[in-house]
Amino acid sequence: AQSVTQPDIHITVSEGASLELRCNYSYGATPYLFWYVQSPGQGLQLLLKYFSGDTLVQGIKGFEAEFKRSQSSFNLRKPSVHWSDAAEYFCAVVTGGGNKLTFGTGTQLKVEL
Amino acid sequence: DAGVIQSPRHEVTEMGQEVTLRCKPISGHNSLFWYRQTMMRGLELLIYFNNNVPIDDSGMPEDRFSAKMPNASFSTLKIQPSEPRDSAVYFCASSPPGSTDTQYFGPGTRLTVL
Repeated sequence: AQSVTQPDIHITVSEGASLELRCNYSYGATPYLFWYVQSPGQGLQLLLKYFSGDTLVQGIKGFEAEFKRSQSSFNLRKPSVHWSDAAEYFCAVVTGGGNKLTFGTGTQLKVEL
Repeated sequence: DAGVIQSPRHEVTEMGQEVTLRCKPISGHNSLFWYRQTMMRGLELLIYFNNNVPIDDSGMPEDRFSAKMPNASFSTLKIQPSEPRDSAVYFCASSPPGSTDTQYFGPGTRLTVL
């Protein structure tokens, strides 16, 4: 079954530093992959998605992600983190014939000022 | 534009009581999803509707849980009777036609069953 793994439960970075959050997927064909962000007390917001084509995907809030088939990865990056980026980040993959999202366990990002 | 609306935002109830969570999807969206989020199990899809029809309810934990979507602008998730292990944040999400993979989430309902 398709799934995603987020190996890092917690990550702490300094404001202004670069960020990379890891996501590995398990799927034979090209998966549909997503990154969502959840701020405290809020619902999830879509940052970006990858279906096909260019493997570097740009999202909102200055985030980007790169699909690497050879590594089965879809890591999220941001060149300079802002304190407001502190949140929980979820990688997700479409399953069930395109109608269901399966989420990873999430990575909690803390930003030190 | 209004996003997905959920009510109540917080619910505290006692074990054995009936709980009803409500969701209003984004206007024009025709798919609706109910998720549950807990520390132990993360985000789980409970059920989703397409054009008001339940398509997949395999994630509904047991018969105590039921969901309805009587029209395109309203859905309920009911738990009867509630148990302490049902304590979680319940999210509703909707998606537009032809794009069920792009889901817009509501703010969630935090349910505490004592």
